[in-house]
Amino acid sequence: DSGVTQTPKHLITATGQRVTLRCSPRSGDLSVYWYQQSLDQGLQFLIQYYNGEERAKGNILERFSAQQFPDLHSELNLSSLELGDSALYFCASSVVGDSTYEQYFGPGTRLTVT
Amino acid sequence: GNSVTQMEGPVTLSEEAFLTINCTYTATGYPSLFWYVQYPGEGLQLLLKATKADDKGSNKGFEATYRKETTSFHLEKGSVQVSDSAVYFCALSRNRDDKIIFGKGTRLHILP
Repeated sequence: DSGVTQTPKHLITATGQRVTLRCSPRSGDLSVYWYQQSLDQGLQFLIQYYNGEERAKGNILERFSAQQFPDLHSELNLSSLELGDSALYFCASSVVGDSTYEQYFGPGTRLTVT
Repeated sequence: GNSVTQMEGPVTLSEEAFLTINCTYTATGYPSLFWYVQYPGEGLQLLLKATKADDKGSNKGFEATYRKETTSFHLEKGSVQVSDSAVYFCALSRNRDDKIIFGKGTRLHILP
């Protein structure tokens, strides 16, 4: 158990809909990262938040957005869903300044768009 | 740009066989290197890491050595078990608090 929790575990929804994925980082971790794992693109970095502020952006679509709240949990919002958005979405957290650059991953949310 | 290339799978071995999964990277500077493992139906777990050249990461019988001259970080295990069946990802991170860049993953299947 990494200490990072994600809800829900599974999500099935229809095209055009909007969903919210939730992540709670390990206690004390200020940085949260979101990654998408799909069959064709592999594991890709989407976005990073640090202590409530956006820190880095990767290959995140404009239809997707995220935020980190004062209690440090984070939400990833996916809207106008398409079939191609079906994937496993991981959240990870890290201690800022950790010399080993290690990130701790949650169990993921599997999104299926039908 | 920064990238990781690892051997494509699936790799199928018999129990107690020797395992090598090749990984090479492209990066500026001196990245940290990782192997992550994803067991069926589970999330990603850090298997081992190395933060500087010639470092050897090891865990659960797996080893990998950071080779800067060949930009490689090959994963090895002397005697695999059925329980090692999983997908293995080679990865790098350039800086503290930076994103992790993953390879495409190698599926390993161990036969009893």
